[in-house]
Amino acid sequence: AQKITQTQPGMFVQEKEAVTLDCTYDTSDPSYGLFWYKQPSSGEMIFLIYQGSYDQQNATEGRYSLNFQKARKSANLVISASQLGDSAMYFCAMREAPNTGGFKTIFGAGTRLFVKA
Amino acid sequence: GAGVSQSPSNKVTEKGKDVELRCDPISGHTALYWYRQRLGQGLEFLIYFQGNSAPDKSGLPSDRFSAERTGESVSTLTIQRTQQEDSAVYLCASTVWGGTYEQYFGPGTRLTVT
Repeated sequence: AQKITQTQPGMFVQEKEAVTLDCTYDTSDPSYGLFWYKQPSSGEMIFLIYQGSYDQQNATEGRYSLNFQKARKSANLVISASQLGDSAMYFCAMREAPNTGGFKTIFGAGTRLFVKA
Repeated sequence: GAGVSQSPSNKVTEKGKDVELRCDPISGHTALYWYRQRLGQGLEFLIYFQGNSAPDKSGLPSDRFSAERTGESVSTLTIQRTQQEDSAVYLCASTVWGGTYEQYFGPGTRLTVT
């Protein structure tokens, strides 16, 4: 069965510093997608970044980058130059391969990030 | 364009009553998901619909929960004989076939069972 693990319930980072949020996953499917979402206190879910299992390079989106280590089954999110507005809950998620009929996506328990001024 | 919408935004109901939650996905999105998020916790998958395929109901916690979707449009999540443990935010998301399959989430319905 698929599984997503986020081992850091809470993280603190100083404003303007970089922070890494950990995510490990488990799947027997060779084709899958990995996502990170942000959930501010307002409750909305915001898509941040995506990594496909066959992508050769790590995904980047502005200040967000995904450190994808396929052999270790990890997909850590790196936020550079943290801002106060980055304080939120962050979820790692994985979806099955659509061509196997699976659209199902599972989410990790989340990491709450606190950015200190 | 319009995003995913959900109604009602808040629902307070008495234990034992039935509730119906509605989700309007983004037009053209073939897949629609329902999740439950209890306070301070992650997203718990409930069900998803993809086009005309049979829905994946593997996440529904009990037979009190059911969901329907009309074609590729509106979906309704029904909870019968609500219990206090059903209190949570219910999130709906939709996605388009192709690309990254990222999900676009609605604002959620906060359900409180008293």
